Amino acid sequence: KNEVEQSPQNLTAQEGEFITINCSYSVGISALHWLQQHPGGGIVSLFMLSSGKKKHGRLIATINIQEKHSSLHITASHPRDSAVYICAVNNNNDMRFGAGTRLTVKP
Amino acid sequence: IAGITQAPTSQILAAGRRMTLRCTQDMRHNAMYWYRQDLGLGLRLIHYSNTAGTTGKGEVPDGYSVSRANTDDFPLTLASAVPSQTSVYFCASSLDRGDEQYFGPGTRLTVT
Repeated sequence: KNEVEQSPQNLTAQEGEFITINCSYSVGISALHWLQQHPGGGIVSLFMLSSGKKKHGRLIATINIQEKHSSLHITASHPRDSAVYICAVNNNNDMRFGAGTRLTVKP
Repeated sequence: IAGITQAPTSQILAAGRRMTLRCTQDMRHNAMYWYRQDLGLGLRLIHYSNTAGTTGKGEVPDGYSVSRANTDDFPLTLASAVPSQTSVYFCASSLDRGDEQYFGPGTRLTVT
């Protein structure tokens, strides 16, 4: 079993829909990251959080430390949100990555 | 240079050949990392460096070596490439180990 599990693996949505991507982890962490990887490969950090909730524009990330679970929400999704979203955790200063969720938003 | 760069963008390499992937950052970050990304798997750490002059092994270090002669550069060398090293390689840096990481654009390597 991977230390970081994401669901779903693939997600297709219509423009405007509310999106939720889930991440569960099995190790102790100091922080959790959500990353975005667009077609063409570049990886960008969206959020780094260790408790509670963060919001940036239409993106919201939450974490429940007790349940070892985090969610990434996208409100009013748009085709430009189509990308792979990667959950990663800091464990003893090493990053452990989920396999990613491929999101496709159709117009 | 703005941020973190990698070279080459892509490369096709014959098995047995030696190859160095280059990574340079201009953010004066202390920590640097090399990852490989394979289909269906998460990014996996190959080697890291906490500061210039030091390096450490990650999750999948076999067949790879690194050096950190200065703050800016962190080259990754495949001494004798094998087909299983076909992958996309990402370099990343952070102010210190454990901080938010910034990723390079990646190098797509195919070993035939």
